[in-house]
Amino acid sequence: LAKTTQPISMDSYEGQEVNITCSHNNIATNDYITWYQQFPSQGPRFIIQGYKTKVTNEVASLFIPADRKSSTLSLPRVSLSDTAVYYCLASGNTPLVFGKGTRLSVIA
Amino acid sequence: EAQVTQNPRYLITVTGKKLTVTCSQNMNHEYMSWYRQDPGLGLRQIYYSMNVEVTDKGDVPEGYKVSRKEKRNFPLILESPSPNQTSLYFCASSFMDRGNSPLHFGNGTRLTVT
Repeated sequence: LAKTTQPISMDSYEGQEVNITCSHNNIATNDYITWYQQFPSQGPRFIIQGYKTKVTNEVASLFIPADRKSSTLSLPRVSLSDTAVYYCLASGNTPLVFGKGTRLSVIA
Repeated sequence: EAQVTQNPRYLITVTGKKLTVTCSQNMNHEYMSWYRQDPGLGLRQIYYSMNVEVTDKGDVPEGYKVSRKEKRNFPLILESPSPNQTSLYFCASSFMDRGNSPLHFGNGTRLTVT
């Protein structure tokens, strides 16, 4: 289970692209990188997952360089409703351990 | 609808009075887990289970018990609750067949121990 490091908080204006980087220097060969979003008093919600290169879905993009020691979650044109805590996990096996996440605040 | 259901959503109790928080999932997931969330500390894992009758301690297991007698249920038991167990609790589940199976979370149980 690779330990991950993320910025504690980030601020952004509405309509901007937000990039949150996660460091996972000790990632193992079978680890996937998964991002979750959590709103206050709700359970975390799966956003996106990848193993290498780039993954895109209707919500976000995930960029993973060739060495896989870091990854970047990209949220295009954020809105106020994207204000939340974002968690990065690098894990291929249980237990699944969360860090403290990145608190994103979107400002009008 | 695929979901993880926790009950109750809110619970206020007194020190020492045994309580159980239930968790049930309808997705036939092998893996289930309990987390607690406290301000500034993120999500910390209490216990997890990889299948029926298999449970393991997470990072903060002291003061808690779990059981996994059926695949769908994973109750969290506090035999003698104390005020430091006041927290927001989440149950989660996923498949075990591959390492990339995302976790599905319940809506949480806010516990207050006085």
